[in-house]
Amino acid sequence: DIQMTQSPSSLSASVGDRVTITCQASQDISNYLNWYQQKPGKAPKLLIYDASNLETGVPSRFSGSGSGTDFTFTISSLQPEDIATYYCQQYDNLYTFGQGTKLEIK
Amino acid sequence: EVQLVESGGGLVKPGGSLRLSCAASGFTFSSYSMNWVRQAPGKGLEWVSSISSSSSYIYYADSVKGRFTISRDNAKNSLYLQMNSLRAEDTAVYYCARSGLTSWGYWGQGTLVTVSS
Repeated sequence: DIQMTQSPSSLSASVGDRVTITCQASQDISNYLNWYQQKPGKAPKLLIYDASNLETGVPSRFSGSGSGTDFTFTISSLQPEDIATYYCQQYDNLYTFGQGTKLEIK
Repeated sequence: EVQLVESGGGLVKPGGSLRLSCAASGFTFSSYSMNWVRQAPGKGLEWVSSISSSSSYIYYADSVKGRFTISRDNAKNSLYLQMNSLRAEDTAVYYCARSGLTSWGYWGQGTLVTVSS
């Protein structure tokens, strides 16, 4: 099984800050990684697919990078509406989600 | 508009059974693989099961293998999850999600399953 280690588990930042979340796979998964945003009481929403591709309609302040085992998700300028929990997901071998990163406003 | 609507959740005793449904609309259901994902209260997302468009390929997480059965009825545009031998740790919101080429762009609103005596 492929394990996904996401960090940090929680993060407090100010509006306008650059925010970075990392996800590490237990083995090489090429670029088979997606990023989702989940707000309380809501279903997850796809933000980034194939490690670095922005889903249609998602603001350009969101971006993703990486390949192999190490991946990064970035919000270039944090907005109040970005408060949510973020998850990475590998799809190289079945599916595994990272533990999630809860993002709060400082 | 793509819509996925789960139903069938509720309170069930340990060892009991429950069948979840996911009604799909707004797309050609028979062309897409489908998935179930769950989220225990206050916890993260956990993939549960996936089924290919024609039901030829079916996969389960180890945590539910042998107890849960995924199925679909393409004529009824519906996805199902039969859950048997339920345990307290199966308590969660269960979501259905549509597979795209590489990602899951559409999710239902979820249905809550509570396993408790």
